[in-house]
Amino acid sequence: SSELTQDPAVSVALGQTVRITCQGDSLRTYYASWYQQKPGQAPVLVIYGKNNRPSGIPDRFSGSSSGNTASLTITGAQAEDEADYYCNSRDSSGNHVVFGGGTKLTVL
Amino acid sequence: QVQLQQWGAGLLKPSETLSLTCAVYGGSFSGYSWSWIRQPPGKGLEWIGEITHSGSTKYNPSLKSRVTISVDTSKNQFSLKLSSVTAADTAVYYCVRRTRGGSGNEDWFDPWGQGTLVTVSS
Repeated sequence: SSELTQDPAVSVALGQTVRITCQGDSLRTYYASWYQQKPGQAPVLVIYGKNNRPSGIPDRFSGSSSGNTASLTITGAQAEDEADYYCNSRDSSGNHVVFGGGTKLTVL
Repeated sequence: QVQLQQWGAGLLKPSETLSLTCAVYGGSFSGYSWSWIRQPPGKGLEWIGEITHSGSTKYNPSLKSRVTISVDTSKNQFSLKLSSVTAADTAVYYCVRRTRGGSGNEDWFDPWGQGTLVTVSS
């Protein structure tokens, strides 16, 4: 079982705001990073650290953290944002890497 | 721009050893950890392990007894071996660069290789 917990599925109306969450004790110490994965493609980093976006990632993607919960927010979701989203951080020991189980985002 | 190119056998029989190699182009090999991550069909991501340019390794405890990750700095390549494979090891395997932020409490995976589907079947 994963040390990071994500809701399996979330939906959002086109143009609305959606928050995808990731829970785990290690998130009290370590930041999460977030990945978008579309069918048949490798994951793509969308958020890392406190709230950093790699070059080329739209600014509608943002990250935040509070206590044991990290969040990925998409403000004004677009059809192309429909994908699986994974959070990642370290485990409780800090020595190994863990991923959340993933959240399937549907844009209605 | 750093690119990762991976290759290896895509079809194995149970009990054989999986072997994949990843080459790093267009960037520094030192200062990062080089990881392997896998994804069974229809399932989530699982970190397998990583290696630094100096050869220091870390492995997922659930796979540690079967995994070896090695590095060839002369070629900017790193490799994965997973022994005694079973059908449960059927997955897309990715090589990925892991960067650690200066604060010590953040790290991230980017870029990713193209992925290699490895199927274990008799």
